[in-house]
Amino acid sequence: ELKVEQNPLFLSMQEGKNYTIYCNYSTTSDRLYWYRQDPGKSLESLFVLLSNGAVKQEGRLMASLDTKARLSTLHITAAVHDLSATYFCAVDMEPGNTPLVFGKGTRLSVIA
Amino acid sequence: KAGVTQTPRYLIKTRGQQVTLSCSPISGHRSVSWYQQTPGQGLQFLFEYFSETQRNKGNFPGRFSGRQFSNSRSEMNVSTLELGDSALYLCASSFLGRGADTQYFGPGTRLTVL
Repeated sequence: ELKVEQNPLFLSMQEGKNYTIYCNYSTTSDRLYWYRQDPGKSLESLFVLLSNGAVKQEGRLMASLDTKARLSTLHITAAVHDLSATYFCAVDMEPGNTPLVFGKGTRLSVIA
Repeated sequence: KAGVTQTPRYLIKTRGQQVTLSCSPISGHRSVSWYQQTPGQGLQFLFEYFSETQRNKGNFPGRFSGRQFSNSRSEMNVSTLELGDSALYLCASSFLGRGADTQYFGPGTRLTVL
């Protein structure tokens, strides 16, 4: 059974600082997704990582995937208040054959 | 381009009733996936439809079912509602399907079961 673990689950960081959110998963997969959710809102797709070594960047967020280590990271550079949200990673073993499995989410709060 | 729409946005039902939720994908998208979000279980995948065929199903009882129409609109049905079915139900659409393409999420339907 595929398990996806995110850490930390809660993160309070100061504006301007850098931090990394980790997503570990238990079974071989080369498809991983990152989503953002604002309080009371729906999900927004951030990154789709489809191969080992994949790296994608959008603004102050950068995501990477290491399939050998079964690890993805979401790095935040010079945090700003607008990045406050909950971030989820999700792992897909075989789209079309297995369910997508989500991590529990990391609630990020950026403070001045 | 219009986004993913879900109706209704809020719903209150009582135990034992059934409910049907609707999702209209972005025009041209052929894949619709459904997810359940609860404080206790987090986000869980329900099922995905692609061109009217169910491609995949999560670990939910048979009370949860869905379908997709020829215009790609999808409906999800939950029969014999239980208190634990109270959740935010999200649908997402994509052109190529989950795993190959970015998914766009609707605003969700918040279901409360009393």
